[in-house]
Formats: sequence, C-alpha cells, structure tokens
Amino acid sequence: QLQLQESGPGLVKPSETLSLTCTVSGGSISSSSYYWGWIRQPPGKGLEWIGSIYYSGSTYYNPSLKSRVTISVDTSKNQFSLKLSSVTAADTAVYYCRTAAAGRPDLDYWGQGTLVTVSS
Amino acid sequence: EIVLTQSPATLSLSPGERATLSCRASQSVSSYLAWYQQKPGQAPRLLIYDASNRATGIPARFSGSGSGTDFTLTISSLEPEDFAVYYCQQRSNRRITFGQGTRLEIK
Repeated sequence: QLQLQESGPGLVKPSETLSLTCTVSGGSISSSSYYWGWIRQPPGKGLEWIGSIYYSGSTYYNPSLKSRVTISVDTSKNQFSLKLSSVTAADTAVYYCRTAAAGRPDLDYWGQGTLVTVSS
Repeated sequence: EIVLTQSPATLSLSPGERATLSCRASQSVSSYLAWYQQKPGQAPRLLIYDASNRATGIPARFSGSGSGTDFTLTISSLEPEDFAVYYCQQRSNRRITFGQGTRLEIK
C-alpha cells in the first residue's frame, strides 16, 4: 500500500513561491499505473484540485491556478513536488498530496496534509 | 470546467435514520463520480468510486447510484461515526473537480 507524506515550509510570504514535496513510500513513483497530484483546502472550506502529473510527464492543472502552478516528479528521490508562485493570503490552505491508479479508481491514497499559511 | 453541485448543504438527522445526499454535474461525467467522507483534521477517505462501487473496507450501509449528471449517496442507517462532511468528485478527461460538500450533522 502506498504512503504519502507532505513536507515544506508552513509559512510563506505574499508574492513568494510556495514549494511542497510529497515523498512516496511502499511503491515506485516511476510506476505507469499511477498519477500524482495535489489538492488543497482553505480553512473551513471545501476541497480544490490543483493539478496532476502522469507517468508520461503530461500535466493537468486547475484552470484557475494554471498560470502559477508547476507539478513535477523526481524519480531519483521517489518524490513529486508542487510550486505555486505569486502567493496571496487566498492561498492559505491545507495542502494534500494524492495518488490514484489510472484505470483503478479504488486505489486512491492521500497524505495527511500540511498547513501552509501565507503571511508577512 | 465541470461544476458539481451538492445538496443539501447541511443535513440534520439522527442515528438510525436514512441519509440521502445529492450531487449534480453541469455536464455528463458518465460514471466517473466518487464520494469521499472527511472528518475534522483528517484527509478525505474514499467511500464510493465509479458512481456505485464501494471502496475496500467501506460498510455496506453506504451505497451510490446514478450516471450522467445526477448522482446519489445513500447511508441506509446512520451510525454515530457517519456524521462528517461528504464530497463528490468527478474525473473527466483527467481533470478533477469537487462538489462544495454536504455537512451531515446530528439532529
């Protein structure tokens, strides 16, 4: 069973870039069976999909965030990452990394989430 | 972008009662619809995938139905641990959207 763990700064200044990493254990991030992604949840609000990356390297982003988001994979470290540029207070949220098996939606794994606060 | 609208926003019921949650899509998502349960301080947990299939370890009191644009999550007899927030999620063309959530609270 895959396990995911987010890491990164808990506090980011406005206009800077938010950077988070998700470390995968229990399986290889190089597997063609899975896609890897990020989801966030502002305090007291609902879930918002940020984007996903597939084995092929293809990326898919939320249109509302697309101009500021980059998701990438580091196979040597079995990690994938999120970069969100030009952050504002509206980007304050719990950020979850998540993976699911392409073609097997019952195989769906989430990290525990990490709170990122945007404040000076 | 496919918009998912959940209703009601809040549902107040008692243990033992039947809960019916609705999710409507702005365009057809075929059967690519999932339901998640989220409790405070926890990551969402997959309950139902592909509209009507229970995920591993999910009790039989949870069931899903629907296709196209209209979907329903039913909890046949509420247990105390079922009071939480429920989200629907679609995955069409590799793009994902969530509904705004239904809060199921104890009456």
